[in-house]
Amino acid sequence: KAGVTQTPRYLIKTRGQQVTLSCSPISGHRSVSWYQQTPGQGLQFLFEYFSETQRNKGNFPGRFSGRQFSNSRSEMNVSTLELGDSALYLCASSAIKTIYEQFFGPGTRLTVL
Amino acid sequence: GEDVEQSLFLSVREGDSSVINCTYTDSSSTYLYWYKQEPGAGLQLLTYIFSNMDMKQDQRLTVLLNKKDKHLSLRIADTQTGDSAIYFCAERVSVPNSGYALNFGKGTSLLVTP
Repeated sequence: KAGVTQTPRYLIKTRGQQVTLSCSPISGHRSVSWYQQTPGQGLQFLFEYFSETQRNKGNFPGRFSGRQFSNSRSEMNVSTLELGDSALYLCASSAIKTIYEQFFGPGTRLTVL
Repeated sequence: GEDVEQSLFLSVREGDSSVINCTYTDSSSTYLYWYKQEPGAGLQLLTYIFSNMDMKQDQRLTVLLNKKDKHLSLRIADTQTGDSAIYFCAERVSVPNSGYALNFGKGTSLLVTP
């Protein structure tokens, strides 16, 4: 079974731009969570989607948003990029029956200049 | 949220055992996890333990849980150079709107020397 895939793997943007990152969960997994990883703050929870609905949200500004499609693929969007948004963005998926097992993708490395 | 605490660095010799320690924050956490991250990669789920267990063994990995002290440890037997990576401890915590998320420590960087 293929793992969680994320595209693109690397991205360079400038301040003020917006960006969209994509995540395809493991086949059959309907829950998708997003995390931000930075050297200073470590790993922080952004939000979780299940059946196209955002179930939970972490403590991030409204510039960070996401959505989930009917095939469980998810996208996250960051608008008006700031230098501090430079990070590794990780996506994780879970199956319904084993919702406590989260499997992570390789991440998208976003650099904001 | 509150911090999950881990030591930042551990160095061991190949063939020795490694023990990585973690103190978590939420006494009601039902699941506790160990993830491994190699350079340039995402997080690999190594193992997890349910809160009603004291110990879990999976091949070279042994997880010990002390709920009273909110202490979790990961022992890697016969450590190999390929085990060099950053190891993250995480707890499953409740978030608003009846959901859950993982609360991670800052990671322990394990260096295995020949």
